[in-house]
Amino acid sequence: ETGVTQSPTHLIKTRGQQVTLRCSSQSGHNTVSWYQQALGQGPQFIFQYYREEENGRGNFPPRFSGLQFPNYSSELNVNALELDDSALYLCASRLWTGKIRGGYTFGSGTRLTVV
Amino acid sequence: AQKITQTQPGMFVQEKEAVTLDCTYDTSDPSYGLFWYKQPSSGEMIFLIYQGSYDQQNATEGRYSLNFQKARKSANLVISASQLGDSAMYFCAMREGQGGSGGSNYKLTFGKGTLLTVNP
Repeated sequence: ETGVTQSPTHLIKTRGQQVTLRCSSQSGHNTVSWYQQALGQGPQFIFQYYREEENGRGNFPPRFSGLQFPNYSSELNVNALELDDSALYLCASRLWTGKIRGGYTFGSGTRLTVV
Repeated sequence: AQKITQTQPGMFVQEKEAVTLDCTYDTSDPSYGLFWYKQPSSGEMIFLIYQGSYDQQNATEGRYSLNFQKARKSANLVISASQLGDSAMYFCAMREGQGGSGGSNYKLTFGKGTLLTVNP
């Protein structure tokens, strides 16, 4: 198993800019989710992709968008950055086999600071 | 209403002692799963243990066990023989529903976490 890797680990953006965060899922995993974790809070679900299609979304505006590629890597794009977008962004993947049991493998996250 | 409540912002425990981290949940779905994750300062969420709503026995994984009281809607994590490396944030999370095509009910709802400090 190669684990879930995210890049970059840190970045600083200016309000109004756009950002792309990347995630390389664990080998063989066909489902990826993205979470936003503000300082001192638990992670909040942004959206999920299964086989390159979004099939679940949390309470985030459309300026948060994503992609999943055939090799199951994925991207999170955020347009028109706001100060409140400053957070740790976590990617989580798992292999969907029709069974519910089991944990989701998370990456170490990208810490985004918007100034 | 909060779906996952962790009432202990911080906990302290002596090395080698046991500690219980509290978690209560709120759902009307008969099918759900409960998770505990550990988050060290590096940021990665490390899966510890899982309990399904229909599981007859409490889950155990090494030094971790889950005290599942369904009627009370609680799923407390018990860490036995604490180690210095256990110092971290601990999150309780819930997934609701059976999970439709492609795992559409994949979403995890997290609590606010408990910061555990293990003292030597």
